[in-house]
Amino acid sequence: QKEVEQDPGPLSVPEGAIVSLNCTYSNSAFQYFMWYRQYSRKGPELLMYTYSSGNKEDGRFTAQVDKSSKYISLFIRDSQPSDSATYLCAMTKPGNNDMRFGAGTRLTVKP
Amino acid sequence: DVKVTQSSRYLVKRTGEKVFLECVQDMDHENMFWYRQDPGLGLRLIYFSYDVKMKEKGDIPEGYSVSREKKERFSLILESASTNQTSMYLCASRLNRGRNEKLFFGSGTQLSVL
Repeated sequence: QKEVEQDPGPLSVPEGAIVSLNCTYSNSAFQYFMWYRQYSRKGPELLMYTYSSGNKEDGRFTAQVDKSSKYISLFIRDSQPSDSATYLCAMTKPGNNDMRFGAGTRLTVKP
Repeated sequence: DVKVTQSSRYLVKRTGEKVFLECVQDMDHENMFWYRQDPGLGLRLIYFSYDVKMKEKGDIPEGYSVSREKKERFSLILESASTNQTSMYLCASRLNRGRNEKLFFGSGTQLSVL
């Protein structure tokens, strides 16, 4: 079993839809949770960063962490074609050098 | 803004060649990382360096070595390239390991070994 599981998709939605992206994990020691966005032929860029459980909102993006279920989510409201990318979840333990990544979900938002 | 620059976007090499991938960051970050990214497997850590001349193996170090002679530069070396090392290679940097600061990535090098 992988430490971090993420459905690779692909996921295709119409413009304006609400998108839900998810990851599950097995290691309860993870405390820091991140979402990265990766456009085609580019490196990942940090989108959201949260510590422990709870919600964090930034514009059209909301990140949720449920540590009791070992489940994290990224919601995108009013999705735009420019949101078309691969979204990677990532997580790490306190003081640890090694970040664990999901395989990435490929999202297409159609005009 | 933090900038992580990888020297090549695309490389084509032959089996058995020695390959150097270079990475430079401009924000005085202590930690630097090399990952490879393969479809369905996500990002896997090859090596990381938490300071100059310091390095530690990641999950898949076999067939690779690294060099960090200066703080801003981290090189990945494929001693004798093989076809199973065809992949996207991503360099990343981070300010300080103790505080779990965010990783900043370069644009990647797509390496093809023929």
